[in-house]
Amino acid sequence: DADVTQTPRNRITKTGKRIMLECSQTKGHDRMYWYRQDPGLGLRLIYYSFDVKDINKGEISDGYSVSRQAQAKFSLSLESAIPNQTALYFCATSDMTSGAYTGELFFGEGSRLTVL
Amino acid sequence: RKEVEQDPGPFNVPEGATVAFNCTYSNSASQSFFWYRQDCRKEPKLLMSVYSSGNEDGRFTAQLNRASQYISLLIRDSKLSDSATYLCVVTNTGNQFYFGTGTSLTVIP
Repeated sequence: DADVTQTPRNRITKTGKRIMLECSQTKGHDRMYWYRQDPGLGLRLIYYSFDVKDINKGEISDGYSVSRQAQAKFSLSLESAIPNQTALYFCATSDMTSGAYTGELFFGEGSRLTVL
Repeated sequence: RKEVEQDPGPFNVPEGATVAFNCTYSNSASQSFFWYRQDCRKEPKLLMSVYSSGNEDGRFTAQLNRASQYISLLIRDSKLSDSATYLCVVTNTGNQFYFGTGTSLTVIP
C-alpha cells in the first residue's frame, strides 16, 4: 500500500459542483501539502499545513479550502468547481520532527480532476 | 518573476550520451535545492539533493552555484530508463517548496 494515498484518483464533474479530494498518509509526517500541476506551469502550491492546528495559503489558494482533520489526513475542497480548476492534484508530505530530516517531499499518486 | 526557471526542452539524446540541465532561482535567500524526477502521469520522486560542494550519485552529478543562483544536473552514459521529466526544486526560509516547470528528457535507442 502507498504511504500517501489520494482519493479519488480520477473525477469528472460539472461547473458549480462541490468537490473534495482526500489525502491520508501512514508516514507519520507532520507536514502536508496540496499542489496542482498544469502543463507548462509545473507544480504550484495551493495550501500547506505544518501540523493539525496550522493551515497556510500557498501561491494559488483562491477557490480552494482545506481541512487537516488529523495528523494523517489533509483534504482539499473546491466549493464551486470551475473549468480552469481542471488539473492534476498532488498531495505531499514531509517530515520536520525527526532527526532524519532530508527536506524530501513524498507525493501521493495524484488525483486527476476534470471540470466540465 | 518565477521563483524557479528551467528550460522545458525537450532534450532528445542517444543512449550513452551525456546531458546537462540547468535551473535558475530568483530568491537569493533560498535554502535547500533538489532535483526530482517525474515519469509520465506519475508523481514526482526525489532524485537527489544538491549541496553547495556538489554531489554525485552514480551517473548523476548535481551542482549549486549560489553566486549565480543556478543549479545543474549532469547525467552521464544516458540509459533508456532515464527518460522522464526532471524538476528543479528550491525551498525558501519558510520551508515552502517551489518547483520549476520541468525539463523533458527522452533517451533514444
